[in-house]
Amino acid sequence: EIVLTQSPGTLSLSPGERATLSCRASQSVSSSYLVWYQQKPGQAPRLLIYGASSRATGIPHRFSGSGSGTDFTLTISRLEPEDFAVYYCQLYGSSTGFTFGPGTKVDLK
Amino acid sequence: QVQLQESGPGLVKPSETLSLTCAVADYSISSDYWWGWFRQPPGKGLEWIGSIHHTGTTFYNPSLQSRVTTSGDTSINQFSLRLKSVTAADTALYYCARHEIKHGAIDYWGQGTLVTVSS
Repeated sequence: EIVLTQSPGTLSLSPGERATLSCRASQSVSSSYLVWYQQKPGQAPRLLIYGASSRATGIPHRFSGSGSGTDFTLTISRLEPEDFAVYYCQLYGSSTGFTFGPGTKVDLK
Repeated sequence: QVQLQESGPGLVKPSETLSLTCAVADYSISSDYWWGWFRQPPGKGLEWIGSIHHTGTTFYNPSLQSRVTTSGDTSINQFSLRLKSVTAADTALYYCARHEIKHGAIDYWGQGTLVTVSS
């Protein structure tokens, strides 16, 4: 069973700053199946990035994803007020289904 | 814009069966996507429950597989979840969603429905 770990648990930043969120897998995985979501209070998750680095439809260019093997990163280049939320990474496997990380909360400093 | 809406009882007694339905609008569940169920206990993270394809193919979270059944009705464009023998640990916000399996991306979600397991 592959476990996803996200760090930090909470990231306190100000608007305009750069956010760097980490997702680490317990063993090497295909980047094709690494996905990132944003979730705001009272809302369903929103798809941001799939295939580790491809932005979903309508996602602003300030969101970018990178990584391979066991280490993946979501970067928000300049935080906007609407970006303060919880971010989840997720891995898909054809036999194991969906595995989510515990999330990173980006909150206002 | 694909729209999904969960419905079902908000309160289920321990040991009973939780049943939810997801109505899909503006997109046919007979298309080549998968339709899944996810849940999120209050204040906690996300967990996948199971998914179904219009061909009838299903796959489930191994940790829940013995208790889960999903089904679909293409004539009314809905799919359903049954989770039997529930306990308080099954209390959560339940989401239905659309996903693909090329990347495992979940691109449309319902708003979620809170199910509480309590006597």
